Amino acid sequence: DIQMTQSPSSLSASVGGRVTITCRASQDISSFLAWFQQKPGKAPKSLIYAASSLQSGVPSKFSGSGSGTDFTLTISSLQPEDFATYYCQQYKSYPFTFGQGTRLEIK
Amino acid sequence: QVQLQESGPGLVKPSQTLSLICTVSGGSISSGGYYWSWIRQHPGGGLEWIGYKYNSGATYYNPSLKSRATISLDTSKNQFSLNLSSVTVADTAVYYCARVGTGRLEATIHHWFDPWGQGTPVTVSS
Repeated sequence: DIQMTQSPSSLSASVGGRVTITCRASQDISSFLAWFQQKPGKAPKSLIYAASSLQSGVPSKFSGSGSGTDFTLTISSLQPEDFATYYCQQYKSYPFTFGQGTRLEIK
Repeated sequence: QVQLQESGPGLVKPSQTLSLICTVSGGSISSGGYYWSWIRQHPGGGLEWIGYKYNSGATYYNPSLKSRATISLDTSKNQFSLNLSSVTVADTAVYYCARVGTGRLEATIHHWFDPWGQGTPVTVSS
């Protein structure tokens, strides 16, 4: 299975700030990478697929980049509703696998 | 817009079969271009993809489930289901259903897991 490792596991940031979350795959996954946001008690929500394509309805403050094994999710102009847990997922090969999550907290 | 809703027993005894249903509204599961998937989230927070099925019949499962999972589509009810046999306490989780879109981007086929159901918690305990 392809292992997905996110860093950091948690981070704190201020409203109005900008953060970058990193996801590393254990082998080359080209651009077959998705990002999800999950709030407590809710289902994950798709933000990005194909490493950098924004899901319909997702604001442009979210952006993704990378290919191969290293990927990033950047969130700008942080608002209170952005504080959540973020997961990456590879869908290059079966079984699809997720990172362990990055918890974003308000500073 | 398409919405998904999971239903099923919240408590299952060890060695029994867990059966969950996902009801789809606002769209047809017979529509081409979509897989219908199950994902679970363990109490520690980790997400695990269980498998998915295309309306043509193609089905893929996570080998970690050791052939215990079966995903079926019921087009007459616009539902799809998950059966997980021989459950143990390790199968305790929140179970989500999701639609998986497929499309071509720059000559490659990509997936997107959207939307998801709200999730249903399942506890395996005697």
